[in-house]
Amino acid sequence: AQSVTQLGSHVSVSEGALVLLRCNYSSSVPPYLFWYVQYPNQGLQLLLKYTSAATLVKGINGFEAEFKKSETSFHLTKPSAHMSDAAEYFCAVSRSSNTGKLIFGQGTTLQVKP
Amino acid sequence: DVKVTQSSRYLVKRTGEKVFLECVQDMDHENMFWYRQDPGLGLRLIYFSYDVKMKEKGDIPEGYSVSREKKERFSLILESASTNQTSMYLCASGTGGSRAGNTIYFGEGSWLTVV
Repeated sequence: AQSVTQLGSHVSVSEGALVLLRCNYSSSVPPYLFWYVQYPNQGLQLLLKYTSAATLVKGINGFEAEFKKSETSFHLTKPSAHMSDAAEYFCAVSRSSNTGKLIFGQGTTLQVKP
Repeated sequence: DVKVTQSSRYLVKRTGEKVFLECVQDMDHENMFWYRQDPGLGLRLIYFSYDVKMKEKGDIPEGYSVSREKKERFSLILESASTNQTSMYLCASGTGGSRAGNTIYFGEGSWLTVV
């Protein structure tokens, strides 16, 4: 069975600092992995996804994530945090049986301090 | 742009009421989903539909049913609302087929409070 674990329900960084949000997955088949962002009172928006084309994936708003099979990880990073990055971030893995049926992690709330 | 529209953003219902949450997508997507979002639990799949009148139970279908009479519309039904169904409900849609890396697109969510 597939699963996703996000380490840290809350992460706080200063504006301009590195953002690192951690995600580990468990999958018996090659996974498709996603990061979504949710701004307050909104739905989820895709940041980036890994579909086996390249291990380093670049997304919107300056975010990127690296797929590391040996570590079963797909951590999300951004070199310099901006106040507008404050949101909740979800890592997800696609179930092997059908497209779009995602298994989500618990979410990580990112706080950006001035 | 893909648009997934949830008709009600905020609802307050009484225990025992029948509740309908409506969702419409404008991208001719085959697949549609209803997720429930709760703090600390992430998103959990309630129901999935891969075609008109076709549906599959997700991880937490108890207390819910769905209807998909037209391709663009997917409704979530709470037959008899209970307080433990107070939550944020998110509708999503995506293309079908066997390409598991396809993106799914979310609506803005419906906040349901059952009193």
